This record gives sequence, structure tokens and C-alpha cells, in this order.
Amino acid sequence: EAGVAQSPRYKIIEKRQSVAFWCNPISGHATLYWYQQILGQGPKLLIQFQNNGVVDDSQLPKDRFSAERLKGVDSTLKIQPAKLEDSAVYLCASSLGRRDRGQNYGYTFGSGTRLTVV
Amino acid sequence: GENVEQHPSTLSVQEGDSAVIKCTYSDSASNYFPWYKQELGKGPQLIIDIRSNVGEKKDQRIAVTLNKTAKHFSLHITETQPEDSAVYFCAAGGSYIPTFGRGTSLIVHP
Repeated sequence: EAGVAQSPRYKIIEKRQSVAFWCNPISGHATLYWYQQILGQGPKLLIQFQNNGVVDDSQLPKDRFSAERLKGVDSTLKIQPAKLEDSAVYLCASSLGRRDRGQNYGYTFGSGTRLTVV
Repeated sequence: GENVEQHPSTLSVQEGDSAVIKCTYSDSASNYFPWYKQELGKGPQLIIDIRSNVGEKKDQRIAVTLNKTAKHFSLHITETQPEDSAVYFCAAGGSYIPTFGRGTSLIVHP
């Protein structure tokens, strides 16, 4: 099966600019996640979608980050305006598991977008 | 919330040796414990997972053990090979999203 697709692979922007990342999950996976991975650390959840609804966005810095999942398939994550500390790899993952059914399954991650804010 | 501690941060072994990575978690409600391998420039890849109703699980050269009483779980890799070199992450979750450890960089010297 095709994996989780993300684009772009790399992005360099100046602080205060805006940036958007795109993710296409595995077909049939109801649940989609965006993670932020700072160098040397484990992934940190930003937002979880189930179909096209937000399940958990408690760790999303809503003053500058936004995300949407169009028609329950593709998703975009936007940062506006970017800060230096937003430099990280942004990972998208999808899973068969549904939180409303108490299902826990492993994630399939994309290769990520490496963002550098200068 | 859940807190996951992972040790060691770096592990260097000779090819053919065994490697063990240990994690502890804080929330006794956690019931799902996946392990991920991340190679340079790639996203984490699920390599094995265990649920709280099982004490041990094996898949070829890798195995995971879980001690619910002590709230710790471990990844064991036997007969290590250079291609095992990567960063390994443990995670613990339940009715909530799994929390990841900070990762262990495994280096296997030929």
C-alpha cells in the first residue's frame, strides 16, 4: 500500500513569514495526526483528526498554528507568523485506530517536512 | 498526563551483540506500548508493539517485555547488524494519544 505522503520535504523561511505543509494519509485511515519533532527529541503531538473533525488540539499553539482536514482525507498545517523556535520536522501520521472506539494501533508516519526559520 | 522516560540516550554495540533499551511510564491506565525506529531523514516506523494483557512479544531478532507493576517496558535486539543503527523511540498510551520518549541513538559497529 502507498505510504503517508508529505510535501514539501524541506522549507526555509524568515521569521514572521507564513508556511503551509500538506499531508495525504493512507487510504482508509480515519485518524490523522500532526507531530512536531525538534532535533534530539521525540515527536510531540500537535493535533489529531478523526475523519474531518478535530479530536485533540490541546497542544496546538492556536495563536499561530492552524490545521484542517479537507473532506476527511488530505490535511494542511499552517504556521503564521513563524518564530525561530518553530524550526523542527513536522510529521504527519495516520492510523486505522479510532479513538471513539478505544482503538489503539500503530501509526504510519510520513517522511516529514524539515522547517528552518531564520 | 503521561510521562515517558527512555534510557540510554545513546547505545554503542559491536555487530552481533545484543542491545537493550528501557522505558518507564507514569500512568497506570496506559495499555498500549509501541516501539518505533527512525532512520536519518525518514519518519518513525513501527517495529513492534505490545498491549498490557501480554508480558512479552517477539518478532525475529526483536522482542519487547512489559512489567505493568513496575511500569516499565524494554526493547531487546539480538544479533545486532549495522542496518539496525537508527534512533529508537518508545511510547505509552491508553485512551489518549501515546506519549513518546526522547529516543535512543543505537550505533552498531561492524
